[in-house]
Amino acid sequence: AAGVIQSPRHLIKEKRETATLKCYPIPRHDTVYWYQQGPGQDPQFLISFYEKMQSDKGSIPDRFSAQQFSDYHSELNMSSLELGDSALYFCASSLRDRVNQPQHFGDGTRLSIL
Amino acid sequence: EDKVVQSPLSLVVHEGDTVTLNCSYEVTNFRSLLWYKQEKKAPTFLFMLTSSGIEKKSGRLSSILDKKELFSILNITATQTGDSAVYLCAVGSLRGSGNTGKLIFGQGTTLQVKP
Repeated sequence: AAGVIQSPRHLIKEKRETATLKCYPIPRHDTVYWYQQGPGQDPQFLISFYEKMQSDKGSIPDRFSAQQFSDYHSELNMSSLELGDSALYFCASSLRDRVNQPQHFGDGTRLSIL
Repeated sequence: EDKVVQSPLSLVVHEGDTVTLNCSYEVTNFRSLLWYKQEKKAPTFLFMLTSSGIEKKSGRLSSILDKKELFSILNITATQTGDSAVYLCAVGSLRGSGNTGKLIFGQGTTLQVKP
């Protein structure tokens, strides 16, 4: 079965640079979530989209923005990168109005800031 | 503030042992409680619980939710070395309509199963 696809798998950037992470949800899933997992920490919710509209916002810095496109894929744009942004960034997708549908996660993008 | 707390934080057992992982929560707009297994990359879905007292079972793993006492347990019987992983408990919270919302994760329980 098709899963959530994230790209790139690894990304190395320097401070103050920008980065764009991409997420392709499971086919027919209409909701996308972004999470950040720092070293040794649990995933923290950043932002979610439903039908291309932002549906909820968590601890996402103002330097980050995200959007969902008409094909339901999503991109997380990160600017003025800081050392503390080094983390594993997960995208998850689900079908919002189906009962008992869990979020399924992609393999993540590991972002390293030098 | 929404909170999900797991215990123990780490656990070392031998193959064949039975383990019980705990998860308690205080979350507004509770929708569901989910268990995931994480082995170095993406969390892999195990169970989703929405109703109290109904055990969900998959092979050697089982889980149950108590919405009155606000906790869940994950049981693993006859543990194997392949069960070694971080087990994450997450609570789905959603304002408004729809079925799924953001997940609030616990710190995870790191399980190590020795041969």
